Amino acid sequence: GENVEQHPSTLSVQEGDSAVIKCTYSDSASNYFPWYKQELGKRPQLIIDIRSNVGEKKDQRIAVTLNKTAKHFSLHITETQPEDSAVYFCAASIDFGNEKLTFGTGTRLTIIP
Amino acid sequence: NAGVTQTPKFQVLKTGQSMTLQCAQDMNHNSMYWYRQDPGMGLRLIYYSASEGTTDKGEVPNGYNVSRLNKREFSLRLESAAPSQTSVYFCASNLKAGGVEKLFFGSGTQLSVL
Repeated sequence: GENVEQHPSTLSVQEGDSAVIKCTYSDSASNYFPWYKQELGKRPQLIIDIRSNVGEKKDQRIAVTLNKTAKHFSLHITETQPEDSAVYFCAASIDFGNEKLTFGTGTRLTIIP
Repeated sequence: NAGVTQTPKFQVLKTGQSMTLQCAQDMNHNSMYWYRQDPGMGLRLIYYSASEGTTDKGEVPNGYNVSRLNKREFSLRLESAAPSQTSVYFCASNLKAGGVEKLFFGSGTQLSVL
């Protein structure tokens, strides 16, 4: 089955700096890659996703890049703010079906004021 | 529109006890899921239901059973709880529309098995 590795497990950045979280996946058939954000004590929420037919997607301060050849994808957060502090999970799926969604182990991002 | 509602929020069990976690969604989603979240291990799928009347095993189904009672409700049962089942459990439902795939999660159940 699919295996998703996520790095780093913890990340601290100064407010205003950029943060990058990286994930690799094992199954070349995976074609859907969402990112979920989980604030402390809250439920995970989808923040951005990308499909394998595009290499990059942006939404305001958040962007995701995908390298299909290397089987890795990354989350980029620019101009970080205190509210960006959370645990971020990457995931990978085949056939756009969430039944086969495999999550990474999470990155705890802390924004230092 | 409450989204995904799961109960209880907290539960403490003794080894061998049984309990059922309840989940309901009011968004008319076809697919529903149960995940467990453990430190350093991300979210792991226990069981899912792609539609009313169907259920399938996920990555970590041992020790659990599920029931898709109707389109709205999907329950998770622990027949004989074990300390290894201490975890945070999330129910979720899935929106698939217009090329968008999105999991909506419940607020979670923190379960401790002593």
